[in-house]
Amino acid sequence: DQQVKQNSPSLSVQEGRISILNCDYTNSMFDYFLWYKKYPAEGPTFLISISSIKDKNEDGRFTVFLNKSAKHLSLHIVPSQPGDSAVYFCAASHTGTASKLTFGTGTRLQVTL
Amino acid sequence: SAVISQKPSRDICQRGTSLTIQCQVDSQVTMMFWYRQQPGQSLTLIATANQGSEATYESGFVIDKFPISRPNLTFSTLTVSNMSPEDSSIYLCSVQGRLSSYNEQFFGPGTRLTVL
Repeated sequence: DQQVKQNSPSLSVQEGRISILNCDYTNSMFDYFLWYKKYPAEGPTFLISISSIKDKNEDGRFTVFLNKSAKHLSLHIVPSQPGDSAVYFCAASHTGTASKLTFGTGTRLQVTL
Repeated sequence: SAVISQKPSRDICQRGTSLTIQCQVDSQVTMMFWYRQQPGQSLTLIATANQGSEATYESGFVIDKFPISRPNLTFSTLTVSNMSPEDSSIYLCSVQGRLSSYNEQFFGPGTRLTVL
């Protein structure tokens, strides 16, 4: 049972344009969401997070939007840069199991020149 | 964020043998986690390791197959026992972030294991 889903395995975006990565979840108990970026041969790097009491969180070029009614979140990267090319994972957790993260399957982002 | 190192970075092992993976953190942390990422799959939590207590395993993972040690607040090991090709994965340790962001975890570089 995949509780966190990233339905797009890959995405290609031109440099300077917006990248939008999507994530859906099924467990209504989830109340905290995170995005990680992973380069080959490295561990995932934390990017940005959002609590369920918010619908938007912004950090520089990265913005995460949360739509609780749709059980959907998205990561926007503006403007996209070649160094953003990586695999992006969304993850979710809930207060009842505070430290357990449930990950999606990842989306490979390719930013082209 | 903490600096996390893992050893070995990669290994190729024979079926039936065991491999112990080490995870070292540059600061004291209460909770450490071990994940597995099988080829083309998501990260799956194997177990949570707290210092001074037995590890807590997730559904589908057992101590006999993945024994974990947590001798102090900066170190942990995961052993993959009696390996089969299905154990070929990237194994990652992680630590919990600062208390104000209690769900953020920071990951080590991973250990890429290939079982022949």
